[in-house]
Amino acid sequence: TQLLEQSPQFLSIQEGENLTVYCNSSSVFSSLQWYRQEPGEGPVLLVTVVTGGEVKKLKRLTFQFGDARKDSSLHITAAQPGDTGLYLCAGTLTPSGAGSYQLTFGKGTKLSVIP
Amino acid sequence: DTGVSQNPRHKITKRGQNVTFRCDPISEHNRLYWYRQTLGQGPEFLTYFQNEAQLEKSRLLSDRFSAERPKGSFSTLEIQRTEQGDSAMYLCASSRWGTQYFGPGTRLLVL
Repeated sequence: TQLLEQSPQFLSIQEGENLTVYCNSSSVFSSLQWYRQEPGEGPVLLVTVVTGGEVKKLKRLTFQFGDARKDSSLHITAAQPGDTGLYLCAGTLTPSGAGSYQLTFGKGTKLSVIP
Repeated sequence: DTGVSQNPRHKITKRGQNVTFRCDPISEHNRLYWYRQTLGQGPEFLTYFQNEAQLEKSRLLSDRFSAERPKGSFSTLEIQRTEQGDSAMYLCASSRWGTQYFGPGTRLLVL
């Protein structure tokens, strides 16, 4: 069983469209990160959220952390071909759980933005 | 740029050989992590160092795997008697507090 479920797994959209990617869990996370990964490269950090209900914006990207700190979403407005990549959410479990410092990753959402 | 660096970037080896990878973290980051990523999956945690102490090891880290961080700076990950199932991207990350920054990874192919 995957601790962090990401949906959709694959997404192909036209340039200019909006999209939302979801990251869900039954566990509570003390923090959650979103990364983007290009083929053959390591994940590149986009954002860290730590407070339940927190919303962060990064240009056309909006990240939200659920009130209960069990889920998160990434919304992209007016997608561009440069947004193409694998989007990964990763969380750190609350300190009282096992493995406080390790990141638990979802399988990722593979986004293709067609010009 | 003083991000996390990893060497080599690619490694092809024959089954049964030993391989060693190196990770240089962001300077002054006291925490260092190793992850493994296979095709179609997110990275999976292998092990974690705080300074030179190895504080956590995943059950994925079999006895053929060993990691060191002798002076609390760079780290090495060695795989002995490689198997085809070891083929993966090996990622290193470092942090000062909670947020981890990843290196470009070492892609291992075991023939």
